[in-house]
Amino acid sequence: KQEVTQIPAALSVPEGENLVLNCSFTDSAIYNLQWFRQDPGKGLTSLLLIQSSQREQTSGRLNASLDKSSGRSTLYIAASQPGDSATYLCAVPFMGNEKLTFGTGTRLTIIP
Amino acid sequence: DADVTQTPRNRITKTGKRIMLECSQTKGHDRMYWYRQDPGLGLRLIYYSFDVKDINKGEISDGYSVSRQAQAKFSLSLESAIPNQTALYFCATSDLGQWGETQYFGPGTRLLVL
Repeated sequence: KQEVTQIPAALSVPEGENLVLNCSFTDSAIYNLQWFRQDPGKGLTSLLLIQSSQREQTSGRLNASLDKSSGRSTLYIAASQPGDSATYLCAVPFMGNEKLTFGTGTRLTIIP
Repeated sequence: DADVTQTPRNRITKTGKRIMLECSQTKGHDRMYWYRQDPGLGLRLIYYSFDVKDINKGEISDGYSVSRQAQAKFSLSLESAIPNQTALYFCATSDLGQWGETQYFGPGTRLLVL
């Protein structure tokens, strides 16, 4: 069974700093990995999807990396802003790449 | 207008009551999902449907049922609600794109079972 872990559960950093969020998974036979953002009281928004053949994917100030062999992914956020405050979740497919297993998320707070 | 909508957004009910949560999408996707989210447990898959005639159980389907009335509509029912079904429920749709499957989530329904 695939297990996805995100540590820490919560993180607070001053505005302007660069930061890294971590995601680890137990079964490296994945098709892709996704990072999502969840704002309080709202649904999830897909940020980045990395194919298993890729090592990095970038969108604006966000950069996600994937190391299948070690079962790890990181989400790098550059020059953090208060609007980046949210919960960030990673997810990987299981059971034939059709459904997602989610991590429990990291709640990020950017301090102005 | 939102691509994936859920009704109601909030619901309080009593133990033993039957309730239905509804999901509609305008994205034209065939695949739809129901998840629940609990603090410390992340999102867990309840049911999923890959087309109108296809219904599959997820990790935690006991106590739930679903109906795929049309491509755009996927409803989740709690036949006899119990307090441990108190959670945030999300509907999602997915599109199998060039780089894999991307899921699109509704805003969620917050359910409290007393």
